[in-house]
Amino acid sequence: DQQVKQNSPSLSVQEGRISILNCDYTNSMFDYFLWYKKYPAEGPTFLISISSIKDKNEDGRFTVFLNKSAKHLSLHIVPSQPGDSAVYFCAASKMTGNMLTFGGGTRLMVKP
Amino acid sequence: NAGVMQNPRHLVRRRGQEARLRCSPVKGHSHVYWYRQLPEEGLKFMVYLQKENIIDESGMPKERFSAEFPKEGPSILRIQQVVRGDSAAYFCASSPLLRTADNSPLHFGNGTRLTVT
Repeated sequence: DQQVKQNSPSLSVQEGRISILNCDYTNSMFDYFLWYKKYPAEGPTFLISISSIKDKNEDGRFTVFLNKSAKHLSLHIVPSQPGDSAVYFCAASKMTGNMLTFGGGTRLMVKP
Repeated sequence: NAGVMQNPRHLVRRRGQEARLRCSPVKGHSHVYWYRQLPEEGLKFMVYLQKENIIDESGMPKERFSAEFPKEGPSILRIQQVVRGDSAAYFCASSPLLRTADNSPLHFGNGTRLTVT
């Protein structure tokens, strides 16, 4: 029973173009959503988050959009850089605590 | 200003042996979370601990796995009588307390890669 799903296991983008990573969730109790970036042999690193009271949050080249009615969020990276190549995990949590439920990840490859 | 420290980074055990994974949280953090990542999968929650208390162990296998976070010292994830299916990366995260106003995210360590031969 996957409550958080990332349906694209991989994505390849040209340097300078936009990368769009998608995430769907099923549990309507989730009210806080995060994106983590992970390089091989390292732990996940927090990237950006969004509360359910918002529909957009921006931080430099990274923007997260939340569509509560569709239970869908997306991460936009623009412009994409080769150093962005990593696995990106979407995660969600409920009001009651910090426990995160992760999606399966999307491997992003940005080609020079 | 050390982050979450996990050791060892790599651990090799034969089937039937015990594995002990250690996690030192960020200084001042009293909450620890353990996650497991099987090959080619996402991170799965295992257990959430406060100092000397297990808060939520709903993701822990019922047998062979245990976790503790004593008053002094690191949090320990213990796997008894390991099997090949336990081979995975085990990540620890810490936080200072329950949800804060700014929803501070969890900070993860670099993990322990357990290989069972």
